[in-house]
Amino acid sequence: AQRVTQPEKLLSVFKGAPVELKCNYSYSGSPELFWYVQYSRQRLQLLLRHISRESIKGFTADLNKGETSFHLKKPFAQEEDSAMYYCALTEGAQKLVFGQGTRLTINP
Amino acid sequence: DGGITQSPKYLFRKEGQNVTLSCEQNLNHDAMYWYRQDPGQGLRLIYYSQIVNDFQKGDIAEGYSVSREKKESFPLTVTSAQKNPTAFYLCASSPGLAGEYEQYFGPGTRLTVT
Repeated sequence: AQRVTQPEKLLSVFKGAPVELKCNYSYSGSPELFWYVQYSRQRLQLLLRHISRESIKGFTADLNKGETSFHLKKPFAQEEDSAMYYCALTEGAQKLVFGQGTRLTINP
Repeated sequence: DGGITQSPKYLFRKEGQNVTLSCEQNLNHDAMYWYRQDPGQGLRLIYYSQIVNDFQKGDIAEGYSVSREKKESFPLTVTSAQKNPTAFYLCASSPGLAGEYEQYFGPGTRLTVT
């Protein structure tokens, strides 16, 4: 079965510091990977997907097939980045498999 | 206001009772999904439907049932057979296949069974 692992349940950094949320996956084929985010009192929403190769809110994520990773990065954290982040992978193009989530807190 | 609606926001039931959670979307999306969200476990897929009158089991379908009689509606029934029903339930929809399209999520229903 496909699996997505986010090793950090909690991550706390100071405002202005770099942020990296880790995501590792196991998948035998060519994966489609996503990052979803849930801000306080808001719905879960798509942050970015690897095929679009775009930067959203200053975040980027690079697919590393050799290391089977899709880490989310931002060079300078902002307080509004505090949220719950989920890494997800498509299985058979029909459904998403989510990681356990990482709660990111940005300290002022 | 377009999007996905789930009702009610909070739901309380006694053990042994079946309960149905509502999910409606006016986005004209073909695919709909039900997830369960538990602390430290992320989102786990219960059921999904790619088209009206068709649905498939997800990873944790035992104790749950669904129907998809209309494109805009995908209700989830939590039966008395579900051993740990207390959880936060999220419904989502997408225009098509999960690998190609973003999923849009509802606000969720928190179910408490005592």
